[in-house]
Amino acid sequence: QVQLVESGGGVVQPGRSLRLSCAASGFTFSSYGMHWVRQAPGKGLEWMTIISYDGSNEYYADSVKGRFTISRDNSKNTLYLQMNSLRAEDTAVYYCVKSGGGSGSYPNFNWFDPWGQGTLVTVSS
Amino acid sequence: EIVMTQSPATLSVSPGERATLSCRASQSVSSNLAWYRQNPGQAPRLLIYGASTRATGIPARFSGSGSGTEFTLTISSLQSEDFAVYYCQQYNNWPLTFGQGTKVEIK
Repeated sequence: QVQLVESGGGVVQPGRSLRLSCAASGFTFSSYGMHWVRQAPGKGLEWMTIISYDGSNEYYADSVKGRFTISRDNSKNTLYLQMNSLRAEDTAVYYCVKSGGGSGSYPNFNWFDPWGQGTLVTVSS
Repeated sequence: EIVMTQSPATLSVSPGERATLSCRASQSVSSNLAWYRQNPGQAPRLLIYGASTRATGIPARFSGSGSGTEFTLTISSLQSEDFAVYYCQQYNNWPLTFGQGTKVEIK
């Protein structure tokens, strides 16, 4: 079955960087768009970014544009999120999510299914 | 950005009763609307996509309806695992956006 396993979370100081990874299995990784969605403690869900199946297209929420970079290595079935200039408001559980039906080049078919278990990032001095 | 607004914020329902949740989009999203359930301490789970198509393994007590700007999720007979937070999400335009959530609690 489809599995998404995030890693790389932890405690980091404001202004520093962190890279998250997501190991995918159980499906043809190179055929699907992949997302990162986050959830601050006690808050709702916030979509952050998507990368298309082949890495040729990326889209970002305004809140992370210019600071975060999504990438993928289809040879390793792995998704990444490079987070720079971290702020206290970036504290959240970060979920790796597979596009439900799309390659990721267009918004259509981009429901989220399934989700990883999440990794917690805490930005604090 | 398309703003998704869910109502009510909290819904108190008895087990076995029916629950009706609403989601409104600030502009038309056609049928590009999904619903998720999030149980405490867990990742969200897809329930409905395309406004009305149940995801794989989702029981028939969940149904979705609507198009354009007004959408509804109905749970016909609440089970214990259904007491959770529900989110709607549009995927018609970038950026993809969620509603703020509806918490379904035991009455």
